[in-house]
Amino acid sequence: NAGVTQTPKFQVLKTGQSMTLQCAQDMNHEYMSWYRQDPGMGLRLIHYSVGAGITDQGEVPNGYNVSRSTTEDFPLRLLSAAPSQTSVYFCASSYGGKETQYFGPGTRLLVL
Amino acid sequence: GDSVTQMEGPVTLSEEAFLTINCTYTATGYPSLFWYVQYPGEGLQLLLKATKADDKGSNKGFEATYRKETTSFHLEKGSVQVSDSAVYFCALNPISGSARQLTFGSGTQLTVLP
Repeated sequence: NAGVTQTPKFQVLKTGQSMTLQCAQDMNHEYMSWYRQDPGMGLRLIHYSVGAGITDQGEVPNGYNVSRSTTEDFPLRLLSAAPSQTSVYFCASSYGGKETQYFGPGTRLLVL
Repeated sequence: GDSVTQMEGPVTLSEEAFLTINCTYTATGYPSLFWYVQYPGEGLQLLLKATKADDKGSNKGFEATYRKETTSFHLEKGSVQVSDSAVYFCALNPISGSARQLTFGSGTQLTVLP
C-alpha cells in the first residue's frame, strides 16, 4: 500500500492564480480531510469528507473548495490564491468510526 | 470551544535524557487524546492514544496518561535518542469513536543531541 499520497510536494503561485492539490489513498478509508499547518498554530482543519459525495467545512474553509467523487481521491482547490494561503497542507484519511488518522507527506505552498 | 495547549519549544536534550512534553486540553464531554509525531520532511504519524480517563497510551518507549482531573496528557520518555528528534503534536477528538474533528496543539520541536 502506498498509503496517503499528495502532489505536488512544493508549489509557488502568484496571487490570483488557481490550483488543485491532489490527495489519494489506497486504504479504502471513508474519512478524508485537509489540514493546513502554520508556524505556532498546529494543524487546522479546512474541509473533510465522510464518504464519496459528502463533504463538510472545517475550522478554516474560506478560499478553498473540495469534492469527493471517489473513495480514493479528495482534491483541494484554491480558486484565487492569496498570500495568506501560504502554508503546508496535509491530507489525512481514516476508517469510518475509528480514530487513527493517516497523513500524507504534505504540500508546501508559497503564494507571492 | 475545544482546545489543546502544549508547552512551547523548542526543546533540546542530550541523548539518554528524560523527556516530558506537557499537554493540557479543554473539551466538553469525554474526548479521546492523541500524540502525533512529525519527522523532518514527513507527514504526521500516530505515536499513541488514550480513549478514556486513566488510560495510558504507550509506543516506542513513549508514554502518556489521560488525566481527567487535571485535563492533561503529558508525553514522557525515560531515555531519548537522536532518532526521536521531531515535532510532537498533542491532539484531541471530542467525539470518541469519530475521526472527524481532531483539534491539534501548536506542536513542540524536540532536538536530541548525541
